[in-house]
Amino acid sequence: DAKTTQPTSMDCAEGRAANLPCNHSTISGNEYVYWYRQIHSQGPQYIIHGLKNNETNEMASLIITEDRKSSTLILPHATLRDTAVYYCIVRVATSYNTDKLIFGTGTRLQVFP
Amino acid sequence: GAVVSQHPSWVICKSGTSVKIECRSLDFQATTMFWYRQFPKQSLMLMATSNEGSKATYEQGVEKDKFLINHASLTLSTLTVTSAHPEDSSFYICSARLEGAYGYTFGSGTRLTVV
Repeated sequence: DAKTTQPTSMDCAEGRAANLPCNHSTISGNEYVYWYRQIHSQGPQYIIHGLKNNETNEMASLIITEDRKSSTLILPHATLRDTAVYYCIVRVATSYNTDKLIFGTGTRLQVFP
Repeated sequence: GAVVSQHPSWVICKSGTSVKIECRSLDFQATTMFWYRQFPKQSLMLMATSNEGSKATYEQGVEKDKFLINHASLTLSTLTVTSAHPEDSSFYICSARLEGAYGYTFGSGTRLTVV
């Protein structure tokens, strides 16, 4: 079962920051939060991940609350090409010595001109 | 780096036949690969974890005799949908993790249509 909940959809004006929230209140102490996005009929694309600290890369920033029960993905200057479904995912450990990504329902982000 | 290739990108098959989908890690070795299924307007659902040289681990509710997974080498995993039916029509996506890395790389997916 997915361990994340996200809003179904969001809009954002081109050039503005897109802030995508995610709740993961049942996350365990050693479970990472991952963000991927999927453009229609393509495989998911990695964006960023984190454990406790805020993270930033060339694509986005990830803000994780101190209690780790929620996080926010920030696209600093959204473009039309950022229109996609964004998945907040918790990486969970398995009983057979590996990890796996369990996808939630995702947020459909629409960037408009 | 870390490219995962899937083949075919789309396939149409007749009901009752079997279809094989390949997932290859092109520039790295992957001891573990993952197979997902995605229905229209839905999220990705993990079907199974494919382990090189051993049996795959299936998620609850996924029929292992219907979805045969073989991970015979460190760069190739295959998913065979046996005796396909129209309800098996879906978008199948594989993923692999580069050892020591943090990211899971996904293939571009295979759209299966069973008629």
